[in-house]
Amino acid sequence: ELKVEQNPLFLSMQEGKNYTIYCNYSTTSDRLYWYRQDPGKSLESLFVLLSNGAVKQEGRLMASLDTKARLSTLHITAAVHDLSATYFCAVDMVGGFFGTGTSLTVIP
Amino acid sequence: NAGVTQTPKFRILKIGQSMTLQCTQDMNHNYMYWYRQDPGMGLKLIYYSVGAGITDKGEVPNGYNVSRSTTEDFPLRLELAAPSQTSVYFCASSSLTGPRNTIYFGEGSWLTVV
Repeated sequence: ELKVEQNPLFLSMQEGKNYTIYCNYSTTSDRLYWYRQDPGKSLESLFVLLSNGAVKQEGRLMASLDTKARLSTLHITAAVHDLSATYFCAVDMVGGFFGTGTSLTVIP
Repeated sequence: NAGVTQTPKFRILKIGQSMTLQCTQDMNHNYMYWYRQDPGMGLKLIYYSVGAGITDKGEVPNGYNVSRSTTEDFPLRLELAAPSQTSVYFCASSSLTGPRNTIYFGEGSWLTVV
């Protein structure tokens, strides 16, 4: 059974701090997605990681992929309140197989 | 710049009723998807389509049906609604040409079955 596990599930962090969200998956895949979802809203694509060792950065977020370890990370640098949201990783089956999400709250 | 449009946004159904969630996209995408998202959970794929006339089951297809008569439209039908189908439904699409880099999502449809 394919599993996509994210941890932590809930994260409360102070503004200005750094933290990493982890996404482990149980099948071979060379394609992984990260999405952001604000409360009551749809999903917004953040990153698509297409190969082993891929690293992508956008603002305070950086995502990486290690296909051998079946692990992707989403690193947050110097968090700000606007980053508060739920973050999902998804492994590329057709349509993506989603993790349960990490709910991030950035507090002053 | 419409993207993926879903209707209705909110709906309350009684047990046993049927309804259709409409989805249309204007990006000429081949791939279209329907997901459901239960509270505090990730998305689960219900059905998907790789082009007009072609549909296939996802992870949780029971209680739903789809059709894809055109590239643009991918309606989801709920037959004999049950409380377990109370959820938020998202339609999405992506391109066939090149890597499937980005899946574009609609705004969601909140469905309550009472």
